[in-house]
Amino acid sequence: EVQLVESGGGLVQPGRSQRLSCTASGFTFGDYAMSWFRQAPGKGLEWVGFIRSKGYGGTIEYAASVKGRFTISRDDSKSIAYLQMNSLKTEDTAVYYCSRGREKPGYWGQGTLVTVSS
Amino acid sequence: DIQMTQSPSSLSASVGDRVTITCRASQSISSYLNWYQQKPGKAPNLLIYAASSLQSGVPSRFSGSGSGTDFTLTISSLQPEDFANYYCQQTYSTPFTFGPGTKVDIK
Repeated sequence: EVQLVESGGGLVQPGRSQRLSCTASGFTFGDYAMSWFRQAPGKGLEWVGFIRSKGYGGTIEYAASVKGRFTISRDDSKSIAYLQMNSLKTEDTAVYYCSRGREKPGYWGQGTLVTVSS
Repeated sequence: DIQMTQSPSSLSASVGDRVTITCRASQSISSYLNWYQQKPGKAPNLLIYAASSLQSGVPSRFSGSGSGTDFTLTISSLQPEDFANYYCQQTYSTPFTFGPGTKVDIK
């Protein structure tokens, strides 16, 4: 059974950093791209970015709203995808989801809430 | 960036009704269009990918159609568990933008 579990959320002050993890099981992690999404409280879905599998170059793309501040990475040996978030702003407050895949994200984690507030 | 719009923004329907939600892209996206269902407090659930392909495990009352700029999600006979928010998303080019969502609630 495919499972994705996000962790690392919590309360963080503006300007600080936070790293989210997405721990995967039930599939060959290294064969898949991994995507990150977020949803601000009461708002719609926003694509954050993805990282391709090593087989497709491991390249990464980001939304403009996070480019230069967020970094997506992966550790295929541990089946974990990461979202490193730097210079956090109050508008980054959201539930963050990871998902398997790039164009067809069919499996999602339960999400982890990041609250950016002083 | 490709802008996605959805209509209506909300609708009220009864169990058994046929429901249609429309999604429009600001430029042609071929068939690179996904539909998701999301219930409160839950992660989105992929219903339809590539505009008309039913995701594994999704009931056949859900169907998608369209290509280019205009797309439709149809629920042939609304069930109690279908009351939720629905989002379209284009995966033609990054950033992979979403529509603003359609809330389907009980009449």
